[in-house]
Amino acid sequence: KNQVEQSPQSLIILEGKNCTLQCNYTVSPFSNLRWYKQDTGRGPVSLTIMTFSENTKSNGRYTATLDADTKQSSLHITASQLSDSASYICVVRRAAGNKLTFGGGTRVLVKP
Amino acid sequence: GAVVSQHPSWVICKSGTSVKIECRSLDFQATTMFWYRQFPKQSLMLMATSNEGSKATYEQGVEKDKFLINHASLTLSTLTVTSAHPEDSSFYICSAIPGSDSPLHFGNGTRLTVT
Repeated sequence: KNQVEQSPQSLIILEGKNCTLQCNYTVSPFSNLRWYKQDTGRGPVSLTIMTFSENTKSNGRYTATLDADTKQSSLHITASQLSDSASYICVVRRAAGNKLTFGGGTRVLVKP
Repeated sequence: GAVVSQHPSWVICKSGTSVKIECRSLDFQATTMFWYRQFPKQSLMLMATSNEGSKATYEQGVEKDKFLINHASLTLSTLTVTSAHPEDSSFYICSAIPGSDSPLHFGNGTRLTVT
């Protein structure tokens, strides 16, 4: 079954600290993986896309990694800011049928 | 960049009435749009894939007659929640993809409250 599991479900961090979110998937065949940020009451916004050949990609203070062998991805937030408080959703695209599978998201709360 | 506009942003309706939500791609054409439902503190749940000029593809467990989808043009898809009940209260979001290698572009969602 094609699944995407994210951990932790939620976390609280202090402003300025780093954190890492995990995304494990069983989707096959794999096409790409995207991390989205969703502010409360808004639609998600794409942060990064990872394809099979990419291991690391950064977007400002966000760095995503992908290990296609173990089917794991992570999103690292560096020097967190209050505005990083949001839900982060991992979405994996299946190559066959172009279907998307959403992870359950990780809710991040950055406290001053 | 690609923009998806969703309207209304929030709506309150009485039980038994129908509500229409619009999703527009403002600066690109979208042959395919997606509709999602999101409950508090949960991730997005794909409801259906809206295909321009043809019938929508619904996910398992989503009632076709309850959630009517129309994608009459390359820039507009509508979701109609028919005979709404309080349990239909939720956050509904649409998305579209400008190109095959592009990310999903999401609307800002519609908060539906059925009283």
